Amino acid sequence: GAGVSQSPSNKVTEKGKDVELRCDPISGHTALYWYRQSLGQGLEFLIYFQGNSAPDKSGLPSDRFSAERTGGSVSTLTIQRTQQEDSAVYLCASSLRQGRDTQYFGPGTRLTVL
Amino acid sequence: SQQGEEDPQALSIQEGENATMNCSYKTSINNLQWYRQNSGRGLVHLILIRSNEREKHSGRLRVTLDTSKKSSSLLITASRAADTASYFCATAPIQGAQKLVFGQGTRLTINP
Repeated sequence: GAGVSQSPSNKVTEKGKDVELRCDPISGHTALYWYRQSLGQGLEFLIYFQGNSAPDKSGLPSDRFSAERTGGSVSTLTIQRTQQEDSAVYLCASSLRQGRDTQYFGPGTRLTVL
Repeated sequence: SQQGEEDPQALSIQEGENATMNCSYKTSINNLQWYRQNSGRGLVHLILIRSNEREKHSGRLRVTLDTSKKSSSLLITASRAADTASYFCATAPIQGAQKLVFGQGTRLTINP
């Protein structure tokens, strides 16, 4: 079956602009996760959803970052007033259930803030 | 902060040889997962080993877990050029198992 898909694959934006990143999880997976991979920080957890709710938003780097999930499926990660330090690869993953199951990752969105 | 630490950071071997990568972590875990990443993009899941398991095999991959030492190893036997990639261990903490904590990775290069 289809894996996790993300769009766009690459995004170049100017500092101060808002961006939206999209994730389509594997069909039937109830849990969805966002991670960020940058040169200086490695792979870091941002937020996860169980259904449409996000019980833990503590991984979001600042209040410029927000995420939502609708219909228990597609999720969008929004970064407002982008800064150069937001440049990174944003990875989405999904799992059948929350917590102890294998997380399957999408190909990522490479964000470059000029 | 990164909990896992991979060792070595980079490994270069000849095709056909075995490659061993190690991972250490700090807190108690529910499970540990190994991933492969090519060209800095998507992560491919390789294997998951639970805290009550000591060894697991999948094809040419062998993973061990020693919870007393808080360490794991990934062995790739009979390496191929296509195995060239970065390998990451990720731990699922007992508290908050949904937040995988990744190590910095091992860059593996297989020379033909």
